[in-house]
Amino acid sequence: GAVVSQHPSRVICKSGTSVKIECRSLDFQATTMFWYRQFPKKSLMLMATSNEGSKATYEQGVEKDKFLINHASLTLSTLTVTSAHPEDSSFYICSARQVRGRGGYTFGSGTRLTVV
Amino acid sequence: AQTVTQSQPEMSVQEAETVTLSCTYDTSESDYYLFWYKQPPSRQMILVIRQEAYKQQNATENRFSVNFQKAAKSFSLKISDSQLGDAAMYFCAFERTSYGKLTFGQGTILTVHP
Repeated sequence: GAVVSQHPSRVICKSGTSVKIECRSLDFQATTMFWYRQFPKKSLMLMATSNEGSKATYEQGVEKDKFLINHASLTLSTLTVTSAHPEDSSFYICSARQVRGRGGYTFGSGTRLTVV
Repeated sequence: AQTVTQSQPEMSVQEAETVTLSCTYDTSESDYYLFWYKQPPSRQMILVIRQEAYKQQNATENRFSVNFQKAAKSFSLKISDSQLGDAAMYFCAFERTSYGKLTFGQGTILTVHP
């Protein structure tokens, strides 16, 4: 079945530094990938939709300059948290849709970001 | 805008028993998909079941089945013969077929007692 690989699974960084999270579709092409943020025992909040070869579409209230998204190929999307602060600490999850068919959505295993 | 509401923050069930998780949604669309996702402690999102709005027949996947009431905009999940491995957070989700973006409910934490 479709697999989405997300790395790293955990990262600790110092306040003010940047962190990059990768999301790869391993056995299918994904024209569209989604990035979510999740707080403990809460729902997934969509941050942005990333389309291959074009600019990402951000949800209302999400800072574009803080959360940089790049979708350079049909199998890779990256989320870079720039100038991270403790309030950016959260669980980040990516999701991808298959190009063809009705495969639906496949989720990465998530990244726990801790900013100290 | 679409909204998805799960009114049960927590539910519990005895092993081997049946439990039903509720979900309601609000939309003006006629064509859409509905999903139930499971998020166990590993936090990996796992698709449990999917329903196309144009299909009147309720979807089933082994021990999991849904009660889809389109007019009432209700989409409940029934888990039969509950197992310890069913313990997780369950999310109901909505997708407009023309938009391709999931809207999630607040989630329901399911505890399974041995």
